[in-house]
Amino acid sequence: TQLLEQSPQFLSIQEGENLTVYCNSSSVFSSLQWYRQEPGEGPVLLVTVVTGGEVKKLKRLTFQFGDARKDSSLHITAAQPGDTGLYLCAGGLGGYQKVTFGIGTKLQVIP
Amino acid sequence: DTAVSQTPKYLVTQMGNDKSIKCEQNLGHDTMYWYKQDSKKFLKIMFSYNNKELIINETVPNRFSPKSPDKAHLNLHINSLELGDSAVYFCASSQEPSAKTQYFGPGTRLLVL
Repeated sequence: TQLLEQSPQFLSIQEGENLTVYCNSSSVFSSLQWYRQEPGEGPVLLVTVVTGGEVKKLKRLTFQFGDARKDSSLHITAAQPGDTGLYLCAGGLGGYQKVTFGIGTKLQVIP
Repeated sequence: DTAVSQTPKYLVTQMGNDKSIKCEQNLGHDTMYWYKQDSKKFLKIMFSYNNKELIINETVPNRFSPKSPDKAHLNLHINSLELGDSAVYFCASSQEPSAKTQYFGPGTRLLVL
């Protein structure tokens, strides 16, 4: 079983549509990160959320941290083909903030 | 100006061989990591070093041995390679162990035949 469950695991949508990706856990995280990984490259950090209920916006991307710091969501408005990639949530646990990654959501935006 | 670099990018080898992957970061970070990403894209931490000291050592076969000659380098040596070792290995670094931002290298694609 994964510590961080992501859903959906695969998503194929048309350009211009909106979408939401979820990251859920039964554990409380001190912080949660969202990364995007493109084929053949390493993950790149998009955002870090640390406060329960926090909402952060990055252009067309809106990130929310759950009040209990156990879950997070990523909402993309008017998806573009450039948004295509693997979206990974990751949470920090433990004294050394060992980062645990979710299984990822593979997003394809069709022009 | 590559922040985290890995060599080689691709590695194809026979079962039973020994191989090394090198990682260097020029960000001045104290902490470095090795992750393994399997065919299903699941990214799992293997090791973490802080100032050349091992601080995270997940359940990894002892055929895998990390070495940090200085805090800018973290190499991964793998003995007696097995088919199941085929994966993409990512090196990453962060300013400190509790830092929330990790910077990843481009990955090393290892294929064991």
